[in-house]
This record gives sequence, C-alpha cells and structure tokens, in this order.
Amino acid sequence: EVQLVESGGGLVQPGGSLRLSCAASGFTFRSPWMHWVRQAPGKGLVWVSRINHDGSSTAYADSVKGRFTISRDNANNTLYLQMNSLRAEDTAVYYCARGDPGYSSSWHAHWGQGTLVTVSS
Amino acid sequence: DIVMTQSPDSLAVSLGERATINCKSSQSVLYSSNNKKYLAWYQQKPGQPPKLLIYWASTRESGVPDRFSGSGSETDFTLTITSLQAEDVAVYYCQQYVSTPPTFGGGTKVEIK
Repeated sequence: EVQLVESGGGLVQPGGSLRLSCAASGFTFRSPWMHWVRQAPGKGLVWVSRINHDGSSTAYADSVKGRFTISRDNANNTLYLQMNSLRAEDTAVYYCARGDPGYSSSWHAHWGQGTLVTVSS
Repeated sequence: DIVMTQSPDSLAVSLGERATINCKSSQSVLYSSNNKKYLAWYQQKPGQPPKLLIYWASTRESGVPDRFSGSGSETDFTLTITSLQAEDVAVYYCQQYVSTPPTFGGGTKVEIK
C-alpha cells in the first residue's frame, strides 16, 4: 500500500524557516516525480514544487521561487521542502503527492494527509 | 501559466440526480505527440486530502464508482456524477498537467438539495 506521511509543519514567525519531510513507503520511491501542493485555509489547491526521479530537475511556483527548495533522498525514501523567508501568505496545509511512475507530467493518485504550516507573529 | 476555470462555484443536486461540473482551460491541454488530454479530476472531502477520480480527461481511476465520468475537448471539460449519492458531497477540482506549473481550477462544491 502506498503511503505518504508528511511532518515538520508548525507555527513559525514571518521571515522564519521550516523543513517539511514526506516519508514514502509501499512503492519504489526512486521512480516517480514527486510534488508539493498546498491549500490555504478554506481555499483551493495550489501546486508548489516538483522534483524528478533522481533530483536533477526541479521546478517551483513563482510565489515560492528563490525561497523554497525541494529535494529528495532516494536511499531513505524521503521528500523534503526547505522553506525560508516565510510569509503570512505561505500559511497552508502542505501535501506531498506522487506523480505516476510512467509519466514525467502526470496526475496525483497518491497524497499524504498534509502538514499545517502557520506563519504568524 | 494555464488558467483553469471551473463552473459553477457550487451546486445543489437531489439524491439520485445528475451533477455536472465544468472546467475550461485557457490553452489546449491536448498533447499532440500522443493525442492525450492532460486533465485530471479530484474529489476532496473536509479534512481529507484530494482523491483522484479521473485522469487523461476520461480514464476512471481504479476503485472509483462508474457514476463518475469525465469528458471534453482540448479546452472544455466536464465531470458528471450520474446519480448523486450522499457520500459524493465534496469539493471537486480539475487540474491540467500538460505544462509546468500544473494548475488547478478553483473548485466546485457539491451539496445535496
């Protein structure tokens, strides 16, 4: 069974940093592209970032470019999101989501339960 | 970026009746090399992550009831729930994944009338 478990969320002051983790199990982690998607309270889904299978290619939403860094550790089946210079508008539930192993551009059949990041003084 | 526009924002449907949700993309999501439409539909219930319903615009994910179906052209898509059940109350999102950044529609809330 595919499982994605996020951790690392919490309350942080504006300008602060957090590192989110997503522990994966139940599939060959090194195969699919992996994504972070966020959802502000009461709002819709917004894609944040993605990383290819070996970490050599990454992409970011304009709203986080230069502040967030996505990475993965295929040896330990873990996806990361390093978030720096956090702003109030980054407050959201952050989900990790798996791409389909067969396609670089794909849907997300598997999602974690999410971790809440709150940026507030 | 491709903008995904869903309509309506919300709808109330009687149990057993049909629900239709629309999604329009600002550019074609058809990839000519493989003739596939890069469009997915998700269902999200309160406090839960999204659940994949449909990909390639019309392919139902394994385990999804056949009352859910997807259709559409290069820019105009529809998610249909043919006989609404109580457990279908949720917010539904479309997503294009043909280009980066992948983008979601704003969501459509489905309720029971």
